[in-house]
Amino acid sequence: GEDVEQSLFLSVREGDSSVINCTYTDSSSTYLYWYKQEPGAGLQLLTYIFSNMDMKQDQRLTVLLNKKDKHLSLRIADTQTGDSAIYFCLSFSGGYNKLIFGAGTRLAVHP
Amino acid sequence: ETGVTQTPRHLVMGMTNKKSLKCEQHLGHNAMYWYKQSAKKPLELMFVYNFKEQTENNSVPSRFSPECPNSSHLFLHLHTLQPEDSALYLCASSQGGGDYNEQFFGPGTRLTVL
Repeated sequence: GEDVEQSLFLSVREGDSSVINCTYTDSSSTYLYWYKQEPGAGLQLLTYIFSNMDMKQDQRLTVLLNKKDKHLSLRIADTQTGDSAIYFCLSFSGGYNKLIFGAGTRLAVHP
Repeated sequence: ETGVTQTPRHLVMGMTNKKSLKCEQHLGHNAMYWYKQSAKKPLELMFVYNFKEQTENNSVPSRFSPECPNSSHLFLHLHTLQPEDSALYLCASSQGGGDYNEQFFGPGTRLTVL
């Protein structure tokens, strides 16, 4: 079946950039999303990109999409301790019956 | 099968109807969530219950009313909905508490409002 893969863990120093990567297999994906989960909380939308875009920038966040390789990345500039969370990549296609989650990448930010 | 069930799987209702969505989890979890997935918008968190207490309400209109009578059951009561409320409503559960906890999703209820 269709799949979304992410590395499970990333550790960065405060002030550095973080890059979280995701690969997906569903060629019919129309939207690709990044969600953030903080301890004890639900999934909150961070940003998303349409499949016909290459890049989207939103303040400290930059999303890059390589549709040919089915590779998505999320870059967080000037990473802060408040960015420590689990980041989920989601692929969504067509109507609302194909929503595929990655396993999540836990980002740990240390001083 | 994730251990989270939702009923009904499909629901068609008029704008003046009152209906309820039901979610049940058999995983011994203490946190339950409602999400909305529309055709043209990203997955949106609606409500969070931790140990039967509502801990998050993401500015959801009052025509959606959640109820969590115990840790295993979660309801979403619907009344006077609008056609733009048509969507897939997903329930999820997790261990709960203040740590990172994997969420397990139900299959969703596909709601159509006429």
